[in-house]
Parts: sequence; structure tokens; C-alpha cells
Amino acid sequence: GQSLEQPSEVTAVEGAIVQINCTYQTSGFYGLSWYQQHDGGAPTFLSYNALDGLEETGRFSSFLSRSDSYGYLLLQELQMKDSASYFCAVTENFNKFYFGSGTKLNVKP
Amino acid sequence: DGGITQSPKYLFRKEGQNVTLSCEQNLNHDAMYWYRQDPGQGLRLIYYSQIVNDFQKGDIAEGYSVSREKKESFPLTVTSAQKNPTAFYLCASTGEGIGYGYTFGSGTRLTVV
Repeated sequence: GQSLEQPSEVTAVEGAIVQINCTYQTSGFYGLSWYQQHDGGAPTFLSYNALDGLEETGRFSSFLSRSDSYGYLLLQELQMKDSASYFCAVTENFNKFYFGSGTKLNVKP
Repeated sequence: DGGITQSPKYLFRKEGQNVTLSCEQNLNHDAMYWYRQDPGQGLRLIYYSQIVNDFQKGDIAEGYSVSREKKESFPLTVTSAQKNPTAFYLCASTGEGIGYGYTFGSGTRLTVV
């Protein structure tokens, strides 16, 4: 089986940096992904980490430590449009992802 | 533009009825997935298919059925055996490899009336 833990809600101000953590337990592990979902919308893919370290894509970065079963999503220069839910997801066998319960990010002016 | 089309956007089901949710993709992706999302929750896997004429159960397959007769299409039927079907249903696909992530459709919101 698998379980993922992430905070339920985070609040930050516009222009700030926020980190959303994800810890996981799986019987096997291939990689960790992050998705963004605005209210009522579909999730959109942000990043995938298979190896330890930091991956940067514009204002967003994602980090993975396989030995700690831990990863995080880092959002820099926060904008109001970043207000959304963020999900971490793990794949055990490269066939499908299992999702966490999501972190609701509230960006305030 | 390539993408995944889910229809209808909103669906109302009476008790005891079967309903079918449509999912069509023109991305030429081999693998397709159905997830269910309840308010404030993550996504739970219902069924997935990696090739035509083959599909596998996910974690919550009871009360659901699927078919994969064409590469482009992966319809989901919510049967009367599904006792709590009110949820947001998302179809996804991936083609280049799961490391490139899923492409999701815009979802179908199913409500039991």
C-alpha cells in the first residue's frame, strides 16, 4: 500500500516564497510528481522527480530525497493566481500515480 | 489542439440508474485513467488501461465498469451498485511516459438526485 502526507492548508502573501512538503510511504517507488488544481478545474502537471535533488521550472521548484521519503514543492514570487490546491503523487511501478489529499494554498495581497 | 474531452460537464443520476461518462483523447496516448475526487480530497484511482482491449482495476473499482475498444476512448459506467456516486470524475492519459505526467480532462460532476 501507499500513504502520502501533506499539510491541508498554507497561507502566504503575494511576492513571498512558500514550501509545500510531502512525505510518503510506498512498497516501491519510482518517482514523485506535483499537480496544481484551481477550484472546479482539472489538475495540471507541474513536475516529476525520480532522482534526489532539486528540479527548477521557472518560479516553481521541486525537491526529492528518496532516503527520507520526502519531497517538497517550492513556489517563489507568489502571485494571486497561484492560489489553488497542490497535490503530490507517487508512482510505485511506473503505471499509475497515487495522490495525496492536497494542500490548499491561499495567497493574500 | 490535442487534448482530452470529457462529457457531459454535469450529470444528474436517479437512484438505481446506470450512467456513462465519456472520455475521448486525440493525443495518441496509450494509457488512460479514471479518477474520482470528493470535496477536499485527493484523487482515487478507479480504473486504468495501458492498451486497447485491456484494463485494470484501481483502488475503488467496485460499482464501476469501463471499456477500451478504441485507443481514443475510455468510457466509464457508474452502475447502480455504486452506493455513493456523487463526486467529480476525472479522466487522464499519458503517452510519452509517466514521468511526463498526466494530461487531465476538464471533469464530469456527477450528482445523485
